[in-house]
Amino acid sequence: DADVTQTPRNRITKTGKRIMLECSQTKGHDRMYWYRQDPGLGLRLIYYSFDVKDINKGEISDGYSVSRQAQAKFSLSLESAIPNQTALYFCATSGHRVWETDTQYFGPGTRLTVL
Amino acid sequence: DQQVKQNSPSLSVQEGRISILNCDYTNSMFDYFLWYKKYPAEGPTFLISISSIKDKNEDGRFTVFLNKSAKHLSLHIVPSQPGDSAVYFCAASNNAGNNRKLIWGLGTSLGVNP
Repeated sequence: DADVTQTPRNRITKTGKRIMLECSQTKGHDRMYWYRQDPGLGLRLIYYSFDVKDINKGEISDGYSVSRQAQAKFSLSLESAIPNQTALYFCATSGHRVWETDTQYFGPGTRLTVL
Repeated sequence: DQQVKQNSPSLSVQEGRISILNCDYTNSMFDYFLWYKKYPAEGPTFLISISSIKDKNEDGRFTVFLNKSAKHLSLHIVPSQPGDSAVYFCAASNNAGNNRKLIWGLGTSLGVNP
């Protein structure tokens, strides 16, 4: 079974709808991240969480919110989806020890299309 | 401003030959560098890394070289195999104590031709 899972894998929605993307991990990691990937723009960090009570904005957090329900779960919400949020979304995890923090493990991604 | 740059969007090599993927960075505070590989419809997977205190790290067919004075690193794949065809991302982490995050390049798409 995959260590980092994301649901749904694909989603098509309409402008203005609220969307939640979910991420679960069985790696026992404290740190979790949400990224989006757009063609030609690489991976950009949306939000990250270093433990259950810690939430931090990344470089492109506007229009998004997150919830860290448990160590293993980190959800990303689009409160009112807009077409330029059409992208591939990745969840990732990493350990908290000094030698673990930089190596991130990614889920398979969610392809979101906002019409 | 792109702090981690992969200036070649794509690269094509013959099977059995060497693939060299390049990455440049601008922030001298970066102290750890990683390469990730990404296949279509999958998330990126960690490939190899190097600390700024080293200039070379090798793992099987993959070797990463770091030239700190030039702020340049490269990934060598020898010999290249068709299964190596993927997008390769360079990432860097800065010396920010417990608040370390990865800064990503835009990726290089490698095609290995049989």
